Amino acid sequence: SYELTQPLSVSVALGQTATITCGGNDIATKNVHWYQHKPGQAPLLIIYRDSKRPSGIPDRFSGSNSGNTAALTINTVEGGDEADYYCQVWDTTNVVFGGGTKLTVL
Amino acid sequence: QVQVVESGGGVVQPGRSLRLSCAASGFTFSSYNMHWVRQAPGKGLEWVAVISFDGNNQYYADSVRGRFAISRDNSKNKSFLQMNSLRVEDTAVYYCAKGGGWYEAVEYWGQGTQVTVSS
Repeated sequence: SYELTQPLSVSVALGQTATITCGGNDIATKNVHWYQHKPGQAPLLIIYRDSKRPSGIPDRFSGSNSGNTAALTINTVEGGDEADYYCQVWDTTNVVFGGGTKLTVL
Repeated sequence: QVQVVESGGGVVQPGRSLRLSCAASGFTFSSYNMHWVRQAPGKGLEWVAVISFDGNNQYYADSVRGRFAISRDNSKNKSFLQMNSLRVEDTAVYYCAKGGGWYEAVEYWGQGTQVTVSS
């Protein structure tokens, strides 16, 4: 089965840029989607099809996908960005999530 | 606006059954795949199952295949997750979510319902 690898945690200073990676075999051949999940809330889709943003998602959030690594980049990080972030792909008829990355804003 | 509301969670003993419901509104329910995703305490998101827009196709995670069944009633804008032979490790918050097409993102999630399997 297909596996996605994310760092357990990423720390970034307020106002700086955070990058969260998502590794998978030939992941560039798949559509990668990203979700933000805060405690007690519903997960929120923030990037779909590698780099597209749903309506209402700030352009501080961007995505890329190449080779064996996809990445979520958050520019000018705010305190409200502190959350868990998950990448996701489809593996034939199954949905696969990465293990999640906890973003801490210093 | 899009709304997805789960219900039916609770505390159940190992080996017993539970049925979760998901009420959807704000979109053409019969045009979209629906997912169930769960999060165990202290763990990440785990996909559970998906049902096609017309109900004709269902797919499951290996961890629940043969024990769980996903269904839908397009006349009532509802999706269901029948959970049988529950195990302690099925304890989690269960989210119902609106999907896009195949290979598309899970577009919109509910707030979740807690399922606790304990003797």
